[in-house]
Order: sequence, then C-alpha cells, then structure tokens
Amino acid sequence: GIQVEQSPPDLILQEGANSTLRCNFSDSVNNLQWFHQNPWGQLINLFYIPSGTKQNGRLSATTVATERYSLLYISSSQTTDSGVYFCAVEADTGNQFYFGTGTSLTVIP
Amino acid sequence: DTGVSQNPRHKITKRGQNVTFRCDPISEHNRLYWYRQTLGQGPEFLTYFQNEAQLEKSRLLSDRFSAERPKGSFSTLEIQRTEQGDSAMYLCASSPGTSGSIQSQYFGAGTRLSVL
Repeated sequence: GIQVEQSPPDLILQEGANSTLRCNFSDSVNNLQWFHQNPWGQLINLFYIPSGTKQNGRLSATTVATERYSLLYISSSQTTDSGVYFCAVEADTGNQFYFGTGTSLTVIP
Repeated sequence: DTGVSQNPRHKITKRGQNVTFRCDPISEHNRLYWYRQTLGQGPEFLTYFQNEAQLEKSRLLSDRFSAERPKGSFSTLEIQRTEQGDSAMYLCASSPGTSGSIQSQYFGAGTRLSVL
C-alpha cells in the first residue's frame, strides 16, 4: 500500500501564529483529502485536493502531485484549530484509503 | 441532512462475545467506508461499499469481521468472537460519488468498542 508520512508530528503555536503541515506520499494518487480531528474525536473534512491549490478562510492547501506531497497552511491560528490534522490518500491503482499518522496541533492563548 | 450517524456510540463487551455496529450514511451518498482507529494512530481502512456492493476489503478485515449494506442504505459491521485487540474506535464515512470532489468523505462520530 501507499506510505503516507506527515510532519511535524507535534506542533505548539501561540494564538495568531501561522503554520505549515506537510504530507508526503509514496505513489501516484487520484484522491487526497485533509481532515481535522477535533479533541472530541470528530473528523472534519477540510479539503479534497488531489492536485492544485484551494483556500477556505484561514486555511489553504496545495498538492504537487508530480512530487508527491501536499501542504496545509493555517494562518492566524485560533485555539479552536487545536486537534490532529490528517492527510488521507487513495492510490490511482486501487480503492483503499491510507491515512498518515497525523500532526497534533495545540494552539495556546 | 443530519450527517453520518453511528450507533451505538460506546460498546463494552466481554472477550468472545459478538458485537454489531450500525452506520447510517448521509442520504443519497452511494459510497460508504468503514475504518478502525486506535489511540495515537490515523484511521485504518477496513472496507467500502458502492451502493450495496462491497468492492474492497483490507487484509485487516479478518474472517471474524463482516460488513453488509443491504439495499445500499445503512451498513452494519459485525465482529464475532471479540478479542481484546479489537478494542478501538470504529468509524464510518460516506461520500456522494466516485469522481472529482464528490469523492470527499464525511465521517460519523464513531463507535468506541472496549473488549474486557
């Protein structure tokens, strides 16, 4: 299966700071999504982004499919951004989804 | 649209017992996925359905696990002869379709299983 690596594993930010989370994957994909798992365990879909760039408010994401990585940008972080951010991919040769181990973000006031 | 619903939210059982979880996807979503998540890890894919057809199964899905989606609506995941290693959060997700952005998955709150 596809290997999905996320970095950094842990991140602590002061409220208002910006951050970049990275997802590297080992094979070609036809589906890449970013999720936020809040402290209550609910997974929230942030972006469907197998290639290109998207923005949604303070969040934006860029996937460079040819180089097999994706970046999630969080600007002006808020305490409600705390939680774990996951990248998930589906290979273009199959139907299984593979999640990374996540980046745990803590935003302190 | 009330989102993906999973029941029960918590299940405590004794080793060797059978358990069944239910997932109600978002209405008219034709893809449904099951995942398992243990503490500190990302979700692990178990299986997925396109309407009522089970199209993919992970090697993680041993013969003690079975999933169904009769009539392409709700789905059940049954674990027979539970083991302590089955303790985890079981997550269900659905998506509207099979191409482009409609592949986006929407997750339920999960069923937390504890096997004593």
